[in-house]
Amino acid sequence: QKEVEQDPGPLSVPEGAIVSLNCTYSNSAFQYFMWYRQYSRKGPELLMYTYSSGNKEDGRFTAQVDKSSKYISLFIRDSQPSDSATYLCAMRNSGGSNYKLTFGKGTLLTVNP
Amino acid sequence: GAGVSQSPSNKVTEKGKDVELRCDPISGHTALYWYRQSLGQGLEFLIYFQGNSAPDKSGLPSDRFSAERTGGSVSTLTIQRTQQEDSAVYLCASSRGGLRDEQFFGPGTRLTVL
Repeated sequence: QKEVEQDPGPLSVPEGAIVSLNCTYSNSAFQYFMWYRQYSRKGPELLMYTYSSGNKEDGRFTAQVDKSSKYISLFIRDSQPSDSATYLCAMRNSGGSNYKLTFGKGTLLTVNP
Repeated sequence: GAGVSQSPSNKVTEKGKDVELRCDPISGHTALYWYRQSLGQGLEFLIYFQGNSAPDKSGLPSDRFSAERTGGSVSTLTIQRTQQEDSAVYLCASSRGGLRDEQFFGPGTRLTVL
């Protein structure tokens, strides 16, 4: 079992839909959780960074962390064609080699106009 | 300011040849990371540099891989005697360092080994 599991999709939705992206993890040492967006042939860019259970909202994006279930989600409201990209979850622990990010494989999202 | 830059953007090489990939981090960032992104595998950590400390090389897949960082800035990832399974996108990231810092990624070098 990989440390981080993420459904690779692909996921195709109409413009304006609410998108839900999810990751599960097995390592309880993970304390910091990130969502990156990666456009084709570009490097990942950080969208959301959370370190506690609960919700964090930033514009149309909401990150949700449930440490008890080892489950994180990213919600995109009013999705736009410009949101079409691969979304990667990433995690790091709080001690030792905490600089290492462990990534999910990414979910490819297409938002159709 | 300028982001992380990597060169070349694409590299095609023949099996058995050596390749060098370059990363220029964001000015002032003390931490530098290399990751590999293979089809269907996601991003895998390769190596980490922080200031003058010894690098964490624990993610390098074999002794054919090595990396150095000169003057605390530019980094070079070298792959010797390339194999077809080395084909991937090699991503470099840099950060200010610290527990909650953000890693900023470059555009990557797409390596194809024929």
